[in-house]
Amino acid sequence: AQTVTQSQPEMSVQEAETVTLSCTYDTSESDYYLFWYKQPPSRQMILVIRQEAYKQQNATENRFSVNFQKAAKSFSLKISDSQLGDAAMYFCAYRAGGADGLTFGKGTHLIIQP
Amino acid sequence: DSGVTQTPKHLITATGQRVTLRCSPRSGDLSVYWYQQSLDQGLQFLIQYYNGEERAKGNILERFSAQQFPDLHSELNLSSLELGDSALYFCASSVGESPYEQYFGPGTRLTVT
Repeated sequence: AQTVTQSQPEMSVQEAETVTLSCTYDTSESDYYLFWYKQPPSRQMILVIRQEAYKQQNATENRFSVNFQKAAKSFSLKISDSQLGDAAMYFCAYRAGGADGLTFGKGTHLIIQP
Repeated sequence: DSGVTQTPKHLITATGQRVTLRCSPRSGDLSVYWYQQSLDQGLQFLIQYYNGEERAKGNILERFSAQQFPDLHSELNLSSLELGDSALYFCASSVGESPYEQYFGPGTRLTVT
């Protein structure tokens, strides 16, 4: 079974600084997809970024980028120029290529210090 | 707003009861997924439907069942409720079966007393 591990229960960063959230996963599949979701206090799950395992290029969405290390099974999220609105729980998620749901990590609580 | 709607927003019921949670996917999406978020278990995938057919099962209890109707809305039925079933239940939808992005609804908060 696939597992997703987020080793940082909580992270804190100063506004405008850069922060990196860690995620590792375990799978025997060769075709899979990785995601970062954000869950603010409203509890809404918001997709932040997606990475296909077959792509070597790291995904980027504005201030959010990933460092995908396939051999190490690592998928970290970098948030640049942190803003107060980035404060939330961040979940790393994995999905195999076929029909299936997402496997989530336990989440990292990100605090933005003004 | 993701375009996925869930009703009701909150539900309070007693142990042993049965409830039905409803989800309407985004316009054009054929896949619906159900997830449970609890303090103990975190976020867990329960079940997936695609165009009315069950496609994948996760950690769904036998007391729970789901279906997707011809108009593509989905219902999650929870029966013989226990205190441990108290959780936030999310529905998500995507265009197809492949790992397209899943868009989540606002969730239904279930409290079992």
